[in-house]
Formats: sequence, C-alpha cells, structure tokens
Amino acid sequence: GENVEQHPSTLSVQEGDSAVIKCTYSDSASNYFPWYKQELGKRPQLIIDIRSNVGEKKDQRIAVTLNKTAKHFSLHITETQPEDSAVYFCAALSGYALNFGKGTSLLVTP
Amino acid sequence: DVKVTQSSRYLVKRTGEKVFLECVQDMDHENMFWYRQDPGLGLRLIYFSYDVKMKEKGDIPEGYSVSREKKERFSLILESASTNQTSMYLCASSFPPGGDIYSGANVLTFGAGSRLTVL
Repeated sequence: GENVEQHPSTLSVQEGDSAVIKCTYSDSASNYFPWYKQELGKRPQLIIDIRSNVGEKKDQRIAVTLNKTAKHFSLHITETQPEDSAVYFCAALSGYALNFGKGTSLLVTP
Repeated sequence: DVKVTQSSRYLVKRTGEKVFLECVQDMDHENMFWYRQDPGLGLRLIYFSYDVKMKEKGDIPEGYSVSREKKERFSLILESASTNQTSMYLCASSFPPGGDIYSGANVLTFGAGSRLTVL
C-alpha cells in the first residue's frame, strides 16, 4: 500500500517559534493530504487538509504546502503555543483509505 | 454530540480468547475503518469497509477479521487473541467524494479508542 514517511519523530521548540513537519508519500495517484493532531489521551482530530489541486492552504497559525512533483507535503505552525504540544500525523489518501505517517511528537516549551 | 462510539474503552483478555470490538457511527457514513495505534508506529490500517457487507484488507489484517452487517456498525474480531495484539484500536468513519469533492469527503471522524490488553 501507500508508504508515508514523516520527519522528525520528535520536535521541541520554544513558545513563539515556528515548527515544521515534513512528509513524503509514494502513491502518485494520491490526491488528498490531511494532518491530524492527537493530544494526550484523546482521539486524533483533523486540523488542516489539502487536496492536490492546490499547492498551499493556510488557517490562522497553521499552513500546509504540497509539492506533487516531489511527492512531499509539510505542516507549518507559526507562533507556537504550549497548547500546540501534541502528536501530529500526516496522511495520504490511497483509494478509499488514509495511510498515516508514524507521527511527530511536538513539545512547545514556555 | 458523540458521532463514533466504540463499545469498550478498556478490555483485558487472555491469550486464545475471541475478542469483539464494536464501533457504531451515527453520521450515515459509507466508509468505516479500523486502525491500530502503537507508540512509534503511528496508525496502521487493519481493515476497512466502503459499504454494507463489503470489506477490504489494510496493511496489517493478519489475525483479524471484520463484519459490517449494517451501515452504522463495523466490528473488529480477534479470533484467537495473542499478546502481540495488545494495542489501542481506533475506529473511524468518513464519506466518499460525491459530486463536490471539496466538501469534507474522506475526513475521518475517530472514536475514542479501545485499549486492549492480552495476557
């Protein structure tokens, strides 16, 4: 199936700094790329997604960029806050199902 | 406001037991999924279903089976539980793209998870 690689596995930033998480995928037919945030003890929830007809999408402090030629996409969080601390998962749609990366544990220190 | 409900939050079973994990969604979604979550391994797809009585294997189907007799319910079955199936199991649902592919299609709504321990 689709192979989604996610880096880094852990990321520590100071409050106010930016955080970037990168993912690559293998299935060139993939056309939908969401990002999920999972806080400790809670279920994953969608924070932003991008479809293959656009290269960038922004929602307040978070943005996602997509490079279909290179088959990679990235999550950018600006002005990080302690409540951004969580595990973030990228995913790529292959057929009916989303294939997830292994996750990035983001820690934002005050 | 709960939309995807998993029947058990915590289960403890013994090796060799048959285990049923139940998932119900009230959003009339066509697609339903079972993922397994382990530290450092992310979310791995076990099985999914895109219609009643239809099922497709995911990346790690070995040791599992599923049942979807009604649109709203998707069950994961461990025929003979083993210790390496100790994990968090997450159910999710979504609807497929229709005429407007930008209207929230494929967005997964997850259940709260079922933490299974096999002794």
